[in-house]
Amino acid sequence: DGGITQSPKYLFRKEGQNVTLSCEQNLNHDAMYWYRQDPGQGLRLIYYSQIVNDFQKGDIAEGYSVSREKKESFPLTVTSAQKNPTAFYLCASSRIRSGANVLTFGAGSRLTVL
Amino acid sequence: DQQVKQNSPSLSVQEGRISILNCDYTNSMFDYFLWYKKYPAEGPTFLISISSIKDKNEDGRFTVFLNKSAKHLSLHIVPSQPGDSAVYFCAAKITQGGSEKLVFGKGTKLTVNP
Repeated sequence: DGGITQSPKYLFRKEGQNVTLSCEQNLNHDAMYWYRQDPGQGLRLIYYSQIVNDFQKGDIAEGYSVSREKKESFPLTVTSAQKNPTAFYLCASSRIRSGANVLTFGAGSRLTVL
Repeated sequence: DQQVKQNSPSLSVQEGRISILNCDYTNSMFDYFLWYKKYPAEGPTFLISISSIKDKNEDGRFTVFLNKSAKHLSLHIVPSQPGDSAVYFCAAKITQGGSEKLVFGKGTKLTVNP
C-alpha cells in the first residue's frame, strides 16, 4: 500500500539535544512538507520541498533543518536552537501542479522535551 | 497574520442533524480550498475541496460552499454521525514563486452526540 511513514511515533529528548524525525513516502509524489501542530494553533508549515535537493522555509523554520537528497525522503532535524520543540509533527506529500494540491499526511511524530 | 480563520473552536450537534463548519480567509490569491478531518494522534485525512471558480462541491454527505465576495466557505455534513466527531481543518492553497503550499486554519472540534 502506498503511503507516508513517519518514525519514530514518540520521541523524548533532553534539552540541548538535536533530534531527527524520519519521513518516507512511496507515492511518487514530487513535493513533501513538514507541519507542526500545537493545541489551539492548527497546522503551521515548517519547511517544504518541491524537488530533490531544493527546499524552502515555511512560516516557522527557525530552529529546524531539512534535507531532500532523495525523492522519497524528507527528514526533519529539530535543533537545540528551537525554543519550544515539544509538539506533534506531521509530514505530508503531494503531486504539484495537480489542481487542489491535496496533501497526504503521515501518522505523525510526537516529540517531548524533558 | 492569520490568513485562514476558523472562529469556532468547537461545535456540538445531535446525530442525524446538519453540522455546519465555517471558515474565513483574507488572501484573494488562494485558488483552492480544502477540508481535512483529524482524529487525535493521527494525521489529517482529506475530505473535500473546491476551486475558487466554483461556489459548491458535493461528495456524499459532505458539501462545501464558497462565497468569494465574502471570503467565506463552509462545510456541511448531512446527516451527522457519531463517527464524524473529530477536528476539522480548513485549508487554502496558494502558489508563490512557483511553489505550492497549503495554509491551514486552527481547526474546529466537532462532537456528534448519539
